[in-house]
Amino acid sequence: GDSVTQMEGPVTLSEEACLTINCTYTATGYPSLFWYVQYPGEGLQLLLKATKADDKGSNKGFEATYRKETTSFHLEKGSVQVSDSAVYFCALLGNQFYFGTGTSLTVIP
Amino acid sequence: GAVVSQHPSWVICKSGTSVKIECRSLDFQATTMFWYRQFPKQSLMLMATSNEGSKATYEQGVEKDKFLINHASLTLSTLTVTSAHPEDSSFYICSAREGAGGELFFGEGSRLTVL
Repeated sequence: GDSVTQMEGPVTLSEEACLTINCTYTATGYPSLFWYVQYPGEGLQLLLKATKADDKGSNKGFEATYRKETTSFHLEKGSVQVSDSAVYFCALLGNQFYFGTGTSLTVIP
Repeated sequence: GAVVSQHPSWVICKSGTSVKIECRSLDFQATTMFWYRQFPKQSLMLMATSNEGSKATYEQGVEKDKFLINHASLTLSTLTVTSAHPEDSSFYICSAREGAGGELFFGEGSRLTVL
């Protein structure tokens, strides 16, 4: 069945460091791929998405490219800020949404 | 963007009581709503899918008599945790989408603590 495998955390970075959170997927067909962010004490918010191969989703300095050949959708940001501290979930939409286990990111000043 | 609102955000109750959590889509009609449960430091576990006007579809292992879901209108779904026990303490999140392939919008979540 469909599934999402996400890099385990927690991840701790200094401000302005580069971030990569790996995400790979298994799916039949051509799913849409998403990154959601959950700030402390809040629900999930859509960060970015891509609906077909080679699409690049971007938002708030974060980017992820839908790579069909490697079945990946890695999240990247060139320079993280303290306000980026949150839990990040990779997800795919096949016949239903499947979420990764989440990666906790802490950015220290 | 679309907004999904959950209420209450926090609830503390005594063991044996029932708790109702509401999920509302504020600016769109949600044909489908989903209820998730999130354990600390874990991902979301889909509990059930509810379509307006029909019975909810529960995931394997979720007790339908304990977690009652009602989706009486296109903008409101409710989750009632019946006879709550401390092991039911968790973060419950709803989500909604407008059509079959629509984007998923999440509520803010409801943290339930059962004493």
